[in-house]
Amino acid sequence: DTGVSQNPRHKITKRGQNVTFRCDPISEHNRLYWYRQTLGQGPEFLTYFQNEAQLEKSRLLSDRFSAERPKGSFSTLEIQRTEQGDSAMYLCASSIHPPGLPGEQYFGPGTRLTVT
Amino acid sequence: GQQVMQIPQYQHVQEGEDFTTYCNSSTTLSNIQWYKQRPGGHPVFLIQLVKSGEVKKQKRLTFQFGEAKKNSSLHITATQTTDVGTYFCAAGGTSYGKLTFGQGTILTVHP
Repeated sequence: DTGVSQNPRHKITKRGQNVTFRCDPISEHNRLYWYRQTLGQGPEFLTYFQNEAQLEKSRLLSDRFSAERPKGSFSTLEIQRTEQGDSAMYLCASSIHPPGLPGEQYFGPGTRLTVT
Repeated sequence: GQQVMQIPQYQHVQEGEDFTTYCNSSTTLSNIQWYKQRPGGHPVFLIQLVKSGEVKKQKRLTFQFGEAKKNSSLHITATQTTDVGTYFCAAGGTSYGKLTFGQGTILTVHP
């Protein structure tokens, strides 16, 4: 399977604990995005990378969230001191830039986080 | 920041009926993409619209981009049970960076 993969698929943690998620993009894709989706809502942008560089980070993202893409391949998203409001599906997507048309993003299956 | 509003939130149809969802922005969009998310699945790209007044068709699906590039629509003719899911519009940035998603329209098709 050459699609976007995410691990783990599910994570249950207690409030106050730290969690880390991993995303492996499609191998030739240089851009990688993180989104968060809650029930009944569209995906909400968190941050994105081009190669190793973090190009944009949402102002909604608190300093408890950090993301890295150290070698321009896989990425990790860490949430420190989790809160119940962090419970959501965390989606990773990748794309090629500059794109041929269309500039679609390919989404992974997501990591569902439940904070108890 | 950029926002896109999508209506309706829900649509229940009988199989064979048509379906339309609308996406509106207060600002001019550089491009708009449409995604479909099946229940329990992840968003899957359907199409991208870039030009003012653009109309694209994919079998029973017709996508339109408004003349002012502030609105878009997706129309499905003669729905089938396989069309069930949530349809999202997403505004793309000028450098194809982040996507700003609408709230989505949940389509239910009754056989």
